[in-house]
Amino acid sequence: GAVVSQHPSRVICKSGTSVKIECRSLDFQATTMFWYRQFPKQSLMLMATSNEGSKATYEQGVEKDKFLINHASLTLSTLTVTSAHPEDSSFYICSAAYGYTFGSGTRLTVV
Amino acid sequence: AQKVTQAQTEISVVEKEDVTLDCVYETRDTTYYLFWYKQPPSGELVFLIRRNSFDEQNEISGRYSWNFQKSTSSFNFTITASQVVDSAVYFCALSEAGYNTNAGKSTFGDGTTLTVKP
Repeated sequence: GAVVSQHPSRVICKSGTSVKIECRSLDFQATTMFWYRQFPKQSLMLMATSNEGSKATYEQGVEKDKFLINHASLTLSTLTVTSAHPEDSSFYICSAAYGYTFGSGTRLTVV
Repeated sequence: AQKVTQAQTEISVVEKEDVTLDCVYETRDTTYYLFWYKQPPSGELVFLIRRNSFDEQNEISGRYSWNFQKSTSSFNFTITASQVVDSAVYFCALSEAGYNTNAGKSTFGDGTTLTVKP
């Protein structure tokens, strides 16, 4: 079945630095990927829709300049959290539209 | 707009008890998928089941069973003879299907935290 590989699984970074999270589709081409965020003890909320070769579509309230999404190939979508701050600490998870498959998630802690 | 409601925020049972997690959804789509995921303390999402809107057959997988009733827009999940390892947060989710641009986009319920005590 469709597999999405997400890395890193955990990352700790200093406030003000940037962090990149990668999601790769291993055995299929992912034209569309979705990025979700989960704050502690909350549900998963859609942040943005990533389409290969075009600009991402962000949900209301999500800062597109802070959460940069790049989907330059059919097998790779990246989310970069720029100038991270402690309030960005969260669990980020991607999913591919094809196969409704989720990555394993990235737990970001900003100190 | 789509909505998924998991009315039970927390459930606590004693090992070997049966437990049912409720899920009610709202959608205007005629074609959609419903999911259940398990999120253990380690954080990853563990896929449990996917059911499409045209398949109302109930399903059983080991100690897990699912009851999909389109008439009441419910997709409930039952764990039989619960075990301590079943302790986790369980999410019900609804995804658009078909060939539109939103296909694959998921709406999650708030989750039900299940605690199984020995």
